[in-house]
Amino acid sequence: EPEVTQTPSHQVTQMGQEVILRCVPISNHLYFYWYRQILGQKVEFLVSFYNNEISEKSEIFDDQFSVERPDGSNFTLKIRSTKLEDSAMYFCASSERAVYSQPQHFGDGTRLSIL
Amino acid sequence: KQEVTQIPAALSVPEGENLVLNCSFTDSAIYNLQWFRQDPGKGLTSLLLIQSSQREQTSGRLNASLDKSSGRSTLYIAASQPGDSATYLCAVKAYNTDKLIFGTGTRLQVFP
Repeated sequence: EPEVTQTPSHQVTQMGQEVILRCVPISNHLYFYWYRQILGQKVEFLVSFYNNEISEKSEIFDDQFSVERPDGSNFTLKIRSTKLEDSAMYFCASSERAVYSQPQHFGDGTRLSIL
Repeated sequence: KQEVTQIPAALSVPEGENLVLNCSFTDSAIYNLQWFRQDPGKGLTSLLLIQSSQREQTSGRLNASLDKSSGRSTLYIAASQPGDSATYLCAVKAYNTDKLIFGTGTRLQVFP
């Protein structure tokens, strides 16, 4: 069964450094998402992306964050200057064209640890 | 603002029991509701999606129901097995938004 893949599985970064999290969505999916889960807390929406632009973002997704689809397969989340509070599990998800009626499929996540 | 709550927070049962996990949401204007399973340190596996117009969905030993007007969904697991041990999350999507709003989760342990 097709799946969303994320790399790396664990990223350790010094505070203030830039980090890029990578995702390969399911191949025929057109909507892409990033969520995060701080340890012990709920999964929270960050951003959605369709047709090479952001379609929706949360208040968490400030100017430090950006997303990109640099080629036909990868979808990336960049954090420019990481803070301690950015430590979390970051999940990528994708869904088919008819976004409202289709489930979102999630990857295994990247655990980001900021030191 | 939509709030999603799951009860109980944790559940430990012997193998073979039938289980009911509960999910409640404060705003009934949802488009769909999705149930997920999360294994420790892993991602979210989609189990079932119920559209707002549906009352229930079934997949194998899993059955999810939706009562939109009362803001509730239940996930029924029949004949539980140790392999069902995981955290179960529900998430709702409203109209005109891309995002899923997640519940707090129910951590299930099924012991042999």
